[in-house]
Amino acid sequence: DIQMTQSPSSLSASVGDTVTITCRASQFISRYLNWYQQKPGQAPKVLIYDASNSQSGVPSRFSGSGSGTDFTLTISTLQPEDFATYYCQQSHSTPRTFGQGTKVEIK
Amino acid sequence: QVQLQESGPGLVKPSDTLSLTCTVSGGSVNSGYYYWSWIRQPPGKGLEWIGYVYYTGYTDYNPSFKGRVTMSVDSSKNQFSLKLSSATAADTAVYYCVRDYSELYRYFDQWGLGTLVTVSS
Repeated sequence: DIQMTQSPSSLSASVGDTVTITCRASQFISRYLNWYQQKPGQAPKVLIYDASNSQSGVPSRFSGSGSGTDFTLTISTLQPEDFATYYCQQSHSTPRTFGQGTKVEIK
Repeated sequence: QVQLQESGPGLVKPSDTLSLTCTVSGGSVNSGYYYWSWIRQPPGKGLEWIGYVYYTGYTDYNPSFKGRVTMSVDSSKNQFSLKLSSATAADTAVYYCVRDYSELYRYFDQWGLGTLVTVSS
């Protein structure tokens, strides 16, 4: 299985900050990397697919980059509704695997 | 807009089989662009992919479930289902049915609301 490691596991930030979350795959996954946002009591929703493509309707402050084994999710100008948990997920091969999550909390 | 809705018992006894169904509306399970996945999330923990089923009946399961899982699709009802045998407390989780877009790109693009299944006597 491909292991996905996110860092940090949690972070505190203020509205207006820029936040970066990293995700590392245990082996080469090309650009088969997706990012999801999950709020308490809700299902996850996709933000970014194929490393850097924004899902329709996702605000432009969310961006993704990377390829191979190292990826980042950047949230520019953090908004109150962005406080949530973020997961990366590889779709290079099965079993599909997720990172452990990064919880973004209000400072 | 496609919608997915999980249904099934919220309480399962240890050693019994956990059975869930996902009803798809606003779209067809027969679409060749999608696989139909099940993903679970134990309380307070992360996400785990269980497996997927294709409209042809082709399946791919996470080996971590060691032969306990069976998925199927019922095109006549526009549904797909999950069976997880020999349930234990470790199977207590919110179970999501998810559309897995797998054409040019591959990602989970539509999720059900999730259903909590508790394994307890």
